Amino acid sequence: AQSVAQPEDQVNVAEGNPLTVKCTYSVSGNPYLFWYVQYPNRGLQFLLKYITGDNLVKGSYGFEAEFNKSQTSFHLKKPSALVSDSALYFCAVRGLNTGFQKLVFGTGTRLLVSP
Amino acid sequence: GAVVSQHPSRVICKSGTSVKIECRSLDFQATTMFWYRQFPKQSLMLMATSNEGSKATYEQGVEKDKFLINHASLTLSTLTVTSAHPEDSSFYICSYRDGAREKNTEAFFGQGTRLTVV
Repeated sequence: AQSVAQPEDQVNVAEGNPLTVKCTYSVSGNPYLFWYVQYPNRGLQFLLKYITGDNLVKGSYGFEAEFNKSQTSFHLKKPSALVSDSALYFCAVRGLNTGFQKLVFGTGTRLLVSP
Repeated sequence: GAVVSQHPSRVICKSGTSVKIECRSLDFQATTMFWYRQFPKQSLMLMATSNEGSKATYEQGVEKDKFLINHASLTLSTLTVTSAHPEDSSFYICSYRDGAREKNTEAFFGQGTRLTVV
């Protein structure tokens, strides 16, 4: 069975500093990995995905993520955080073997960027 | 990205009544649709998956008679919470995948519906 772990419930960072939101996964075969962001009382917005190719994936709003197969990780990063980045971030995985191509989400990490 | 419109964004209903939530894909054909439920400070829990014109497949523990899903067309899906009770209060989110694109595409989500049963 596929699973995603986001070990941090909350990440605090000062504006202008780099941020990292951690994600590790477990899946049979090659994974499709995604990051989504959720603002209060809103649906999820797609940030970026890794399917194949370069391990460093660039996405929306200056975010990027690095796929590390040996560590089964897909950490989300941004060089310089903004207060407006404060939100709930979800990592998700889809395995090639899932019949309905279901996304499995992590528990989410709340990012709080202070001015 | 694709646009998914979900409404209402908020609804308050009395216990015992039914509530319908609509989800529309505005610029693509949604052959596969997912309904999620999100509890406060928790992740998304997949409730059911459906393909257009077919019956929904419900996840273990989800009552199909309570959460009626209709995916009658490629642009519209509905979730009806029947005989709602306070424990059904939650945030419900629909999600589509674009059937005309590759399997590895991301899913697109509606804005969510905050249901409060009083």
